[in-house]
Amino acid sequence: DAKTTQPPSMDCAEGRAANLPCNHSTISGNEYVYWYRQIHSQGPQYIIHGLKNNETNEMASLIITEDRKSSTLILPHATLRDTAVYYCIVSLGSGNTPLVFGKGTRLSVIA
Amino acid sequence: GAVVSQHPSRVICKSGTSVKIECRSLDFQATTMFWYRQFPKQSLMLMATSNEGSKATYEQGVEKDKFLINHASLTLSTLTVTSAHPEDSSFYICSATLNPRTGYRGNEQYFGPGTRLTVT
Repeated sequence: DAKTTQPPSMDCAEGRAANLPCNHSTISGNEYVYWYRQIHSQGPQYIIHGLKNNETNEMASLIITEDRKSSTLILPHATLRDTAVYYCIVSLGSGNTPLVFGKGTRLSVIA
Repeated sequence: GAVVSQHPSRVICKSGTSVKIECRSLDFQATTMFWYRQFPKQSLMLMATSNEGSKATYEQGVEKDKFLINHASLTLSTLTVTSAHPEDSSFYICSATLNPRTGYRGNEQYFGPGTRLTVT
């Protein structure tokens, strides 16, 4: 079973920041927080991951609370192409550990 | 990021026939690959873990004799759906983990574009 809880859906205006929350209150000390997204009828796309520090890359920023029980994915300037289902996943991050997907958040970016 | 391909992207087959789906890591070697399937409006469900040179590990409820997995090289894993039935119609997705780099924190898994199987 997935160890994360996400809202089922969110809307965001185009050009605004999209902030997607995730609760992972049972995360263990050596588990990472991963974010993926899936655009309709495609394979999931890796976005970002982190352990305890905040992370930023060209796609997004990941903010992890100090107690690591929740995190927020931030898309700084959402576009229509960011409309997708976003999955927050906790995982050991080892090469032979599969990712367990929950239901994710369906983000709709509106013009 | 790393690239994983799948072939075919879409296949239609008759009930009772077998279908092979290929998953390739194009620019990296993957000791381990994973196979998932996704039914409409549902999330991805892990089917099996495929390890190069050894037998695959199947999730509970997945029939290993029906879903044959072969991981013959570090860049190729295949999933064969044998004696396909209409209920096997689904979106099949593979993923591969970029091998760990020294000092790298956590590994990124990369997913293929998926194969849509329709059994008539």
